[in-house]
Amino acid sequence: AQSVTQLGSHVSVSEGALVLLRCNYSSSVPPYLFWYVQYPNQGLQLLLKYTTGATLVKGINGFEAEFKKSETSFHLTKPSAHMSDAAEYFCAVSDKGRAAGNKLTFGGGTRVLVKP
Amino acid sequence: DGGITQSPKYLFRKEGQNVTLSCEQNLNHDAMYWYRQDPGQGLRLIYYSQIVNDFQKGDIAEGYSVSREKKESFPLTVTSAQKNPTAFYLCASRDRASGANVLTFGAGSRLTVL
Repeated sequence: AQSVTQLGSHVSVSEGALVLLRCNYSSSVPPYLFWYVQYPNQGLQLLLKYTTGATLVKGINGFEAEFKKSETSFHLTKPSAHMSDAAEYFCAVSDKGRAAGNKLTFGGGTRVLVKP
Repeated sequence: DGGITQSPKYLFRKEGQNVTLSCEQNLNHDAMYWYRQDPGQGLRLIYYSQIVNDFQKGDIAEGYSVSREKKESFPLTVTSAQKNPTAFYLCASRDRASGANVLTFGAGSRLTVL
């Protein structure tokens, strides 16, 4: 079974500083990879996804993530944090192919606090 | 606007009672999912359905039941057999034609057992 590890359940950054959220997965075969964001008492919104091709993926709100097969990682970054980036972020993976049931496995989440 | 509607947003239940959470989508998506969210544990899959009249158990199905009689609807019943039902429940759907397993989520229902 897939597993997803997000290093750090809480991250605090200053406004304007780099945001780096770490995600590692367990699959030996590169899966589909996703980052979602959740604001308080709301559902999840897709930030970006990697399926195939270019390993650096750009998403909404200035976020990007890089797929590194050798490290089984998909870390999320944003060069300059904004107050509106305060939220919880989830990394997720999905095996390719219908036999896997098209299910997503989520990491435990990282809550980002942005300090003025 | 197309989307997923979950209701109620907040629900309180006494121990021993069954409750049903509603999930309706107008996205014409084939697949629908129920996840449970607890602090620090991310989202865990309860049940999913890839087509009407068919559904499969996820990782934590015990104490829950679902039905999929219509494409648009995927209600979740939290039964009295669920020992720790207090949580935030999220419904999601997926367009099978999308090919990349992207899920669209509803706004969630927060269940509190008193």
